Amino acid sequence: SQELEQSPQSLIVQEGKNLTINCTSSKTLYGLYWYKQKYGEGLIFLMMLQKGGEEKSHEKITAKLDEKKQQSSLHITASQPSHAGIYLCGAALDAGSQGNLIFGKGTKLSVKP
Amino acid sequence: EPEVTQTPSHQVTQMGQEVILRCVPISNHLYFYWYRQILGQKVEFLVSFYNNEISEKSEIFDDQFSVERPDGSNFTLKIRSTKLEDSAMYFCASSEQGASYEQYFGPGTRLTVT
Repeated sequence: SQELEQSPQSLIVQEGKNLTINCTSSKTLYGLYWYKQKYGEGLIFLMMLQKGGEEKSHEKITAKLDEKKQQSSLHITASQPSHAGIYLCGAALDAGSQGNLIFGKGTKLSVKP
Repeated sequence: EPEVTQTPSHQVTQMGQEVILRCVPISNHLYFYWYRQILGQKVEFLVSFYNNEISEKSEIFDDQFSVERPDGSNFTLKIRSTKLEDSAMYFCASSEQGASYEQYFGPGTRLTVT
């Protein structure tokens, strides 16, 4: 069963535009991780959120976890070609987890110059 | 900046052979993980390792797989009697303290079973 849903599956934006990617679960998220992956390469850690309502930013990327801890969004402001890649959300779905993460299918982002 | 490293970057093996994938986690990290990603599919958890023993494993991690920390720096994944369906990208990850801590991934080893 699909435990982490990401939307949209793919996104094409013009350079300079803002965009948002969502990650939704039917279960409580005990730790929500955002990664960026280039095709065929490793996962680059972006941010981790734990507390309901938490928001973190790094450069032009902001991630939020909702109060219920079942949905997270990743927002990119003024997108650049360097933002292109596949964005993955991963989460621990068990309070007793040792850190094993479940991942969504990813959102493929293309940025047109 | 410390990073997780993996070797080899690409491994080709024949069906039925054994392979060992190697990882060097970040030096002060205590929790280690293996994940795999079959081409075009989601990243899937295989196993977590802490204090020289497996702490969690998924249904994928059956008797064909084993993990070991042979020394103070390396963390290995052994796959015995490889099958075609084992072809995937295998990622090692490490975390300072496990759950609720940042988890860093290596660049992956692409395993091709022919």
